[in-house]
Amino acid sequence: DSGVTQTPKHLITATGQRVTLRCSPRSGDLSVYWYQQSLDQGLQFLIQYYNGEERAKGNILERFSAQQFPDLHSELNLSSLELGDSALYFCASSVGEGGKAFFGQGTRLTVV
Amino acid sequence: GQSLEQPSEVTAVEGAIVQINCTYQTSGFYGLSWYQQHDGGAPTFLSYNALDGLEETGRFSSFLSRSDSYGYLLLQELQMKDSASYFCAVRDKKGGGNKLTFGTGTQLKVEL
Repeated sequence: DSGVTQTPKHLITATGQRVTLRCSPRSGDLSVYWYQQSLDQGLQFLIQYYNGEERAKGNILERFSAQQFPDLHSELNLSSLELGDSALYFCASSVGEGGKAFFGQGTRLTVV
Repeated sequence: GQSLEQPSEVTAVEGAIVQINCTYQTSGFYGLSWYQQHDGGAPTFLSYNALDGLEETGRFSSFLSRSDSYGYLLLQELQMKDSASYFCAVRDKKGGGNKLTFGTGTQLKVEL
C-alpha cells in the first residue's frame, strides 16, 4: 500500500459525459501528479500540483482540468468524454518535487 | 521537449543478470528514476539517480551518466516475480515545476 488513495477504482460512463477522479496523497506529501495510461502504453504526464499551485503541465487536453485543494487532495475532471479517453488514470504524490513518487492504484475509466 | 528511449522487451532466465538501458533528451534535467509496474498494477518506485554513478538497493542497481544522457537499471539474481514492465523517468524542471516524464517501458520476461 503506497498510501495514495484514488477513487473510484472503476468508472464506466457514456460519451459526452463528465467525470471527476479523486486522489488523496500520502500524509505529508505536497506534490500531486496525474498520469494517463492507455492499453499497453506508457504513462503520459498530465499535470502536477505543489501545495495547491499548478506547477507543470504535460499534454493535457483542454477538456481535462485538475485542481489541488487546501487539504492537498486533488481532483481530475474529464469532460465531453470520448471513446479514446478510456484508460487507467494514475495519481502519484511526493514529499517535494523530487524523483521519488508514490502511485495510487489508479482509476480505470471506460467510456462507452 | 523530452524524449526517452528504452528497449521494448527483454527476456532473461531465472538467476541471471539483466540490464535495461535508458537514453534521454531533455533540458533542465535533474535526475533519472526507475519504476516497476506489474500487469494491472500501479507503478512502484525502485531508484533515483541525481548524480553520476551507481546506486545499489538490494538486487537492483541503477546507474547514471549525465554527460552521456544515459542510465541503466541492473537486476541481479532474477526471480520470476521480477517479470514486469520497467520504466525510466526523467525529472525535468524546465519552465518551473517538476515534470516526471516516463519512457515507454521495457517489458521484462523472466523464464525458468
